[in-house]
Amino acid sequence: DQQVKQNSPSLSVQEGRISILNCDYTNSMFDYFLWYKKYPAEGPTFLISISSIKDKNEDGRFTVFLNKSAKHLSLHIVPSQPGDSAVYFCAANNNNDMRFGAGTRLTVKP
Amino acid sequence: GAVVSQHPSRVICKSGTSVKIECRSLDFQATTMFWYRQFPKQSLMLMATSNEGSKATYEQGVEKDKFLINHASLTLSTLTVTSAHPEDSSFYICSARKGGGEKLFFGSGTQLSVL
Repeated sequence: DQQVKQNSPSLSVQEGRISILNCDYTNSMFDYFLWYKKYPAEGPTFLISISSIKDKNEDGRFTVFLNKSAKHLSLHIVPSQPGDSAVYFCAANNNNDMRFGAGTRLTVKP
Repeated sequence: GAVVSQHPSRVICKSGTSVKIECRSLDFQATTMFWYRQFPKQSLMLMATSNEGSKATYEQGVEKDKFLINHASLTLSTLTVTSAHPEDSSFYICSARKGGGEKLFFGSGTQLSVL
């Protein structure tokens, strides 16, 4: 049962443009959401998070939006840079039970 | 941020041998650590929750006798893949929470290849 879904396995954008990565979840009990970035052969690193009581959280070039009614969150990266090329995992947490999406591979072209 | 160290980063072994992977929290104590497995182009799948001083909690479908977990101290958890077979080849990652925070801090992962 895939409780967290990232339906786009890959995304390619031009440097300087906006990258939008999407994530959907099914469990309404999730109360905290996170995005992780992962390079090949490395462990994921934390990028940004949002609590369910908020609908937006911004950190530099990264903004996460949460739409609870739609059970949808998105990560916006603007402007995108080649160094942002990686796999991005969406994660949702409920009482220390964290579930991950399948990841979206972002490629930022110079 | 907190540091979680995982060793080895890569291991190649023969079928039938056992492989031990270590996960250490370097600058904090972790009463709970998590072990994940990732197949190519797939999500991080939680295998088990490692609890210091007690038995690990395994996810459905994960063989307890196959994947032995020991959490002997507040900074170390080990995962032993017993009698490894080629289908056990995968990327294994550990993680831990610092204090009561929501964020997970991940190790660098171990690429296991069973010949």
